[in-house]
Amino acid sequence: DAGVIQSPRHEVTEMGQEVTLRCKPISGHDYLFWYRQTMMRGLELLIYFNNNVPIDDSGMPEDRFSAKMPNASFSTLKIQPSEPRDSAVYFCASRTTLAGHTIYFGEGSWLTVV
Amino acid sequence: KNEVEQSPQNLTAQEGEFITINCSYSVGISALHWLQQHPGGGIVSLFMLSSGKKKHGRLIATINIQEKHSSLHITASHPRDSAVYICAPMAGNQFYFGTGTSLTVIP
Repeated sequence: DAGVIQSPRHEVTEMGQEVTLRCKPISGHDYLFWYRQTMMRGLELLIYFNNNVPIDDSGMPEDRFSAKMPNASFSTLKIQPSEPRDSAVYFCASRTTLAGHTIYFGEGSWLTVV
Repeated sequence: KNEVEQSPQNLTAQEGEFITINCSYSVGISALHWLQQHPGGGIVSLFMLSSGKKKHGRLIATINIQEKHSSLHITASHPRDSAVYICAPMAGNQFYFGTGTSLTVIP
């Protein structure tokens, strides 16, 4: 299995631009998580889906952030408009209840907003 | 309020040394992960445990549910073990993350 695949790996964008981060979970996994990692706050859960349905989005910082999971093999995290304080590493992770609680992370998307 | 406390925050060790990283948490959990993150790299789950002890190569993880405490041990440490180690207790589908322990192993 290819693991959790994220794109882009690195993105530099100007303030005010729209940013879309993409994630392909491991096939067969029914949970998908979006996390943000910064030096100041460490890892934070933004949102997670179960069977493509958003379950908990309380970690989404504000309305500029949105996430979708149109099918079991694809999810997006969108920031519009982006701000410099959104600069962080965004991780997607997935797991299946069939394999206990083991979670698998993608390589992360490194976002810099200038 | 920090649900997860890790210690130490930073650790430098000589190659071959035995290393212990501690994690205390305040939430009721169903399981606990130890995660490893190399500089500039992704995050890998080293262990997921809900009781007792697990061993994988030179790595050993223990958990005491009653005391809400877990430890990660590295025997015969090696420079390639240099990474950030993150304790992540799990309650339901919610992970609580420690701030991480940055380990540097010097040859």
